[in-house]
Amino acid sequence: AQSVTQLDSQVPVFEEAPVELRCNYSSSVSVYLFWYVQYPNQGLQLLLKYLSGSTLVKGINGFEAEFNKSQTSFHLRKPSVHISDTAEYFCAVSHTNAGKSTFGDGTTLTVKP
Amino acid sequence: GAGVSQTPSNKVTEKGKYVELRCDPISGHTALYWYRQSLGQGPEFLIYFQGTGAADDSGLPNDRFFAVRPEGSVSTLKIQRTERGDSAVYLCASSLRGSGGAYEQFFGPGTRLTVL
Repeated sequence: AQSVTQLDSQVPVFEEAPVELRCNYSSSVSVYLFWYVQYPNQGLQLLLKYLSGSTLVKGINGFEAEFNKSQTSFHLRKPSVHISDTAEYFCAVSHTNAGKSTFGDGTTLTVKP
Repeated sequence: GAGVSQTPSNKVTEKGKYVELRCDPISGHTALYWYRQSLGQGPEFLIYFQGTGAADDSGLPNDRFFAVRPEGSVSTLKIQRTERGDSAVYLCASSLRGSGGAYEQFFGPGTRLTVL
């Protein structure tokens, strides 16, 4: 079985400040890792994914994440946030031999002016 | 091109009734997934189709839930004898391929089901 823990349910931050959204996972087998964003009244959209290779992954909208196998973490970062980044962010994992994904409970990022 | 569409966007029903939720995946995507998202939680896996067959239905909570994809495209999630606890947003996603989990899943906007 696999599980995902998003360590912060809510993260308030001021505009242009850096942000880190934390994600830890548990799995007995190799996994792929994903971050999704859900804007208000919209569907989930993929931000970035780690499949293999370089542990630093760059995604859309200036986000990046680092896979740390020893700490079983996949934290999401952005050096300078905008008001428009206000949304719900979900970390997810899937086994390398199975299609379904297991999601965390989400982190609400609120960017204040 | 068109994304994943789901109908209806909202469904209100009474306890004990039967409901059907429809998903139209992206054309050419062979894999289709159903998830359920309760308030304040992340999406929870229900069932995954590869083509017409259910490759993994381990997430269906009980035998009141059933899903079909008869022609390998549109899928219908069916819930019998609905209960108040079934109230949630039901999400559908599709991907080009399903095996290996590496292919991006494209999500629809969801159907919000409310059981009174």
